[in-house]
Amino acid sequence: RKEVEQDPGPFNVPEGATVAFNCTYSNSASQSFFWYRQDCRKEPKLLMSVYSSGNEDGRFTAQLNRASQYISLLIRDSKLSDSATYLCVVALSGGYNKLIFGAGTRLAVHP
Amino acid sequence: NAGVMQNPRHLVRRRGQEARLRCSPMKGHSHVYWYRQLPEEGLKFMVYLQKENIIDESGMPKERFSAEFPKEGPSILRIQQVVRGDSAAYFCASSLSSEHTQYFGPGTRLTVL
Repeated sequence: RKEVEQDPGPFNVPEGATVAFNCTYSNSASQSFFWYRQDCRKEPKLLMSVYSSGNEDGRFTAQLNRASQYISLLIRDSKLSDSATYLCVVALSGGYNKLIFGAGTRLAVHP
Repeated sequence: NAGVMQNPRHLVRRRGQEARLRCSPMKGHSHVYWYRQLPEEGLKFMVYLQKENIIDESGMPKERFSAEFPKEGPSILRIQQVVRGDSAAYFCASSLSSEHTQYFGPGTRLTVL
């Protein structure tokens, strides 16, 4: 079983749509949770951290359910510029952030 | 403040040659991480280094791969006797401390012919 699992997609949505990505992780010792964005052939960039209480940053909302070991990302009012691969990332405890990446979910927003 | 720098950006090697990938962390960062991304896969942790020390190399293949982060100069990921399966994007990240956000460099794309 993969440590971090995501639906690979692609998700093809029109501009303005709301889209949700899901992610599950296998290690209950995971301490930190993130969503990264990766554009084609570029480096991953931190989109947002994910907290148990849920957090929002503009059109992006992230949720964490520790009991179910489940993380989600909701994007409202999709823009063309949101087209990218979204990476679910967890970090284990152990004194430092060793990041464990999911394989990513591809999003394509069309006019 | 320049970000994480990696060079070369693209590297082509023939089977059996050596590949050297360099990473200069962000100014003030002394923690460096190397990740590998195979085609259509997620990034996989390889090694975590601080200046002159390897802290965790649990993701490094047992043979042919080595990493260093000397007191002066960039961190180096070295792959000896490359094989086709080594073809991938290799990303370096740096952070201010072990608990701080990791910032990624643009990556080196290694192609083994």
